[in-house]
Amino acid sequence: DSGVTQTPKHLITATGQRVTLRCSPRSGDLSVYWYQQSLDQGLQFLIQYYNGEERAKGNILERFSAQQFPDLHSELNLSSLELGDSALYFCASRASGTVSTEAFFGQGTRLTVV
Amino acid sequence: QQPVQSPQAVILREGEDAVINCSSSKALYSVHWYRQKHGEAPVFLMILLKGGEQKGHDKISASFNEKKQQSSLYLTASQLSYSGTYFCGTEIKETSYDKVIFGPGTSLSVIP
Repeated sequence: DSGVTQTPKHLITATGQRVTLRCSPRSGDLSVYWYQQSLDQGLQFLIQYYNGEERAKGNILERFSAQQFPDLHSELNLSSLELGDSALYFCASRASGTVSTEAFFGQGTRLTVV
Repeated sequence: QQPVQSPQAVILREGEDAVINCSSSKALYSVHWYRQKHGEAPVFLMILLKGGEQKGHDKISASFNEKKQQSSLYLTASQLSYSGTYFCGTEIKETSYDKVIFGPGTSLSVIP
């Protein structure tokens, strides 16, 4: 158990709909990262939050947005869903400081758009 | 900015060795290595911070050549449990050191 919790584990929804994925980081970790992994593909960096503020952005579509709340949990909102958005979405958290540290991944949310 | 990994895939028999390479076109702050089993979360293996640093545990080790902006992961005397996809993640010096970008992955299959 990495200590990172993602809900829901599975999500099936129709095209055009909107969903919210939730992530609770490890206790004490200020940084939260979101990654998208399409079928048998690599981990595509979407966005990073640090202590409630957006820190870095990757290849995140305009239809997607995220935020990190005061209690440090994060939500990834996906709207106007398309079939191509079907993927495994991972959240990871890290303890931030002056030295690079390992990232701990949640078990992921498998999104299926039908 | 995405690092390049080679090979894309490798099949080994138990007991054989393998090397997975990771290279970047940018100066690196660190290199991370993770292993992912199918459908599961990536699991941390090790992180390398300094040029020339080598780390390892059990029969898996890695090196980091900062000048060449490259890292290699060494798996010796492979076991069935080593099967999975190996990702290297890099933090580039010119951007936020917090941003870890992963390579496309190397699929490793160990067969009896």
